[in-house]
Amino acid sequence: GAVVSQHPSRVICKSGTSVKIECRSLDFQATTMFWYRQFPKQSLMLMATSNEGSKATYEQGVEKDKFLINHASLTLSTLTVTSAHPEDSSFYICSARGQFYNEQFFGPGTRLTVL
Amino acid sequence: AQKVTQAQTEISVVEKEDVTLDCVYETRDTTYYLFWYKQPPSGELVFLIRRNSFDEQNEISGRYSWNFQKSTSSFNFTITASQVVDSAVYFCACAGSSNTGKLIFGQGTTLQVKP
Repeated sequence: GAVVSQHPSRVICKSGTSVKIECRSLDFQATTMFWYRQFPKQSLMLMATSNEGSKATYEQGVEKDKFLINHASLTLSTLTVTSAHPEDSSFYICSARGQFYNEQFFGPGTRLTVL
Repeated sequence: AQKVTQAQTEISVVEKEDVTLDCVYETRDTTYYLFWYKQPPSGELVFLIRRNSFDEQNEISGRYSWNFQKSTSSFNFTITASQVVDSAVYFCACAGSSNTGKLIFGQGTTLQVKP
């Protein structure tokens, strides 16, 4: 089956620093990737849709200048949390869309802790 | 837009009991897809099933079964003879044909299976 990886799996950083999270589709090309955020004991909330070679589409209420998304190739999308603050601490999960638009393959997630 | 409601926040059962997790969805799309995912404590989402709106056949996979009823907009999930390893958070999700395949998740149901 299709495999999606995320790196790092866990990151702890100081407030004010920027953190980059990578999402890779390992055995297929993904023109579309999605970024989700999950706070403890809550559901997954879609943050943005990342399309290869074009600007990401952000969901309402998500600050595009704070959460920078780059989808430079068909196998890699990155999410950069700029000037991270403790309230950005969360579990970030990416997914990559497969051949059919209704298929999504999820990465293992990245747990971000901002001190 | 889609909306998914999982009214059961937490369910606790004793091993070997059967348990049903409810899912009610809302969508204006005539073509849509419904999903169930399992999220164990590790956080990684485990895909369980995808069902399209034109296929109302119920499905059974081992101890798992799904009941899709368009008349009541429900897609319920039953675990037969539950096991401790079934303890996890279960998410129901919906993707419509009109919104680029974005997944909308329900709030999740935490299932605890006690030995």
